[in-house]
Amino acid sequence: AQRVTQPEKLLSVFKGAPVELKCNYSYSGSPELFWYVQYSRQRLQLLLRHISRESIKGFTADLNKGETSFHLKKPFAQEEDSAMYYCALSGGKGQNFVFGPGTRLSVLP
Amino acid sequence: GAGVSQSPSNKVTEKGKDVELRCDPISGHTALYWYRQSLGQGLEFLIYFQGNSAPDKSGLPSDRFSAERTGGSVSTLTIQRTQQEDSAVYLCASSLDRGAVTDTQYFGPGTRLTVL
Repeated sequence: AQRVTQPEKLLSVFKGAPVELKCNYSYSGSPELFWYVQYSRQRLQLLLRHISRESIKGFTADLNKGETSFHLKKPFAQEEDSAMYYCALSGGKGQNFVFGPGTRLSVLP
Repeated sequence: GAGVSQSPSNKVTEKGKDVELRCDPISGHTALYWYRQSLGQGLEFLIYFQGNSAPDKSGLPSDRFSAERTGGSVSTLTIQRTQQEDSAVYLCASSLDRGAVTDTQYFGPGTRLTVL
């Protein structure tokens, strides 16, 4: 069965500190992994996806199939990064999505 | 063009009543998803429509929940005989779903349902 876990409900860091939001998944095939973000009073939106291998707003995420992880990282957190972050998995086109429970990131001044 | 829209933005209803929630996806998007976001919970997948294929209803929590998508565009999520535990934000998302990989989902603003 597809499953996504995010062990931290809340993560607080100081501005300028590195941040890592953890995501682990279980899936029997080759999944597509995503990070979605919801800023205060805004819609949920895509942050990045593992296929694109890109850095968005300074965030990167590497898919580690051996550890079944897709942790989100940023070397220097900014206050505007404060938001709710969801890790999500899809089995591919035509498959449904499974979202993790989310991690609220709070970047303190 | 406009993004995904949902109506109503807020719905307060009494226990036992039926409610209908509407989603207008982005024009041309063939895939449409419904999710439920409860307080303190993550996003719970409900149902997924892809083109003319039979919908994936595997996430619907009970037979009180149903959804349809007319003409491959607008979708309606219906909850019959609402219960207090149905109170949540219901999110709709659509995606283009072309090519071999899963396309980005674009989310609507949600409908906040409160069952008294």
